[in-house]
Amino acid sequence: DTGVSQNPRHKITKRGQNVTFRCDPISEHNRLYWYRQTLGQGPEFLTYFQNEAQLEKSRLLSDRFSAERPKGSFSTLEIQRTEQGDSAMYLCASTETASTDTQYFGPGTRLTVL
Amino acid sequence: GENVEQHPSTLSVQEGDSAVIKCTYSDSASNYFPWYKQELGKGPQLIIDIRSNVGEKKDQRIAVTLNKTAKHFSLHITETQPEDSAVYFCAASIGVQGAQKLVFGQGTRLTINP
Repeated sequence: DTGVSQNPRHKITKRGQNVTFRCDPISEHNRLYWYRQTLGQGPEFLTYFQNEAQLEKSRLLSDRFSAERPKGSFSTLEIQRTEQGDSAMYLCASTETASTDTQYFGPGTRLTVL
Repeated sequence: GENVEQHPSTLSVQEGDSAVIKCTYSDSASNYFPWYKQELGKGPQLIIDIRSNVGEKKDQRIAVTLNKTAKHFSLHITETQPEDSAVYFCAASIGVQGAQKLVFGQGTRLTINP
């Protein structure tokens, strides 16, 4: 079990560019979550997948954000037309089954928008 | 929606002493309360959790207490060691379509002085 992995670990982009992040959950974890963490704050929930179905989206997830989990395994988070306010750590977490609450977090992708 | 307040924001203790971090939550429907430790450049790591049907839980030097009536829960670390230095986050969770959406506190930066 290698844990949750995220790529890239760091991304620097210019305002207006599109970026895409990838999350690979722990093998056979069917629930996957995305959170955003700004400096000095706790993570904030963005969205959640049960297998390939996206079941909830936070109001923080504007129409410039889109997340997918096409085969129920890895997930991608895309931000279009990035803004400086998008600069943050994007965290992914996964959960094994419906009977457990424990969320295991990945190392995160730190996004800097210049 | 749920709101979680965490205090203090920073805490400095002498090695070997105890540290206590407190959190309050607003939604009485919350039923799961994890604590995470986050080191620099890493994702949050679960250290202990408690469910609403339990008042206290202990794991070696770490303990968590929950007062459902007052809607607050606390993390207690005894015999602190330098490696306990990190940022600690509490969270409260409400079930969302069978999954747990975590709402985090603002974090406590704990420093253990040798």
